[in-house]
Amino acid sequence: DAGVTQSPTHLIKTRGQQVTLRCSPKSGHDTVSWYQQALGQGPQFIFQYYEEEERQRGNFPDRFSGHQFPNYSSELNVNALLLGDSALYLCASRKNSEQYFGPGTRLTVT
Amino acid sequence: AQSVTQPDIHITVSEGASLELRCNYSYGATPYLFWYVQSPGQGLQLLLKYFSGDTLVQGIKGFEAEFKRSQSSFNLRKPSVHWSDAAEYFCAVGARGDQGGKLIFGQGTELSVKP
Repeated sequence: DAGVTQSPTHLIKTRGQQVTLRCSPKSGHDTVSWYQQALGQGPQFIFQYYEEEERQRGNFPDRFSGHQFPNYSSELNVNALLLGDSALYLCASRKNSEQYFGPGTRLTVT
Repeated sequence: AQSVTQPDIHITVSEGASLELRCNYSYGATPYLFWYVQSPGQGLQLLLKYFSGDTLVQGIKGFEAEFKRSQSSFNLRKPSVHWSDAAEYFCAVGARGDQGGKLIFGQGTELSVKP
């Protein structure tokens, strides 16, 4: 049984560009959340998707948007990248109050 | 405001020694409580969780945690640390009504293990 997978593993972008990160949840999980983890910090909740709709959102600007597909996979999009967006982006899928995290995508903005 | 505090940024223990990592939370009501571990370059792995019932919960890898409502604490313990336990440890809370969907994390405690 595959766990949560994320792609790509690493990504380097330039300020002002746009990026799309992808996540496939654990089998049987229908809820996907995204977190941003800056270096030396704990993860910060970005948003959560269930039934293809954004259900909850953390304190992140509208530059951060997402999508969930019918197969429960999800994308995180970030527009107009800033240097401060450099971080590890974690995807988590959930069933029965337990969240399982993927290995993350390391985004570097130069 | 909802928050999680892990007072110790970095802890070093000798292999075989006992370990306690502290976690305090500020929340409107008793939340769901979690401990995660993160090895370098890895995602987060769930060590244990508290939802209700017995306030001493057992997790994987020989870890346990005790929920103390009066102190708003959920400290993680291990009787004998192994070198492979060196990692970053995160305490997190989630809302009961949301089945813990949105997690609030502490800043983490980095554990180093001396041979």
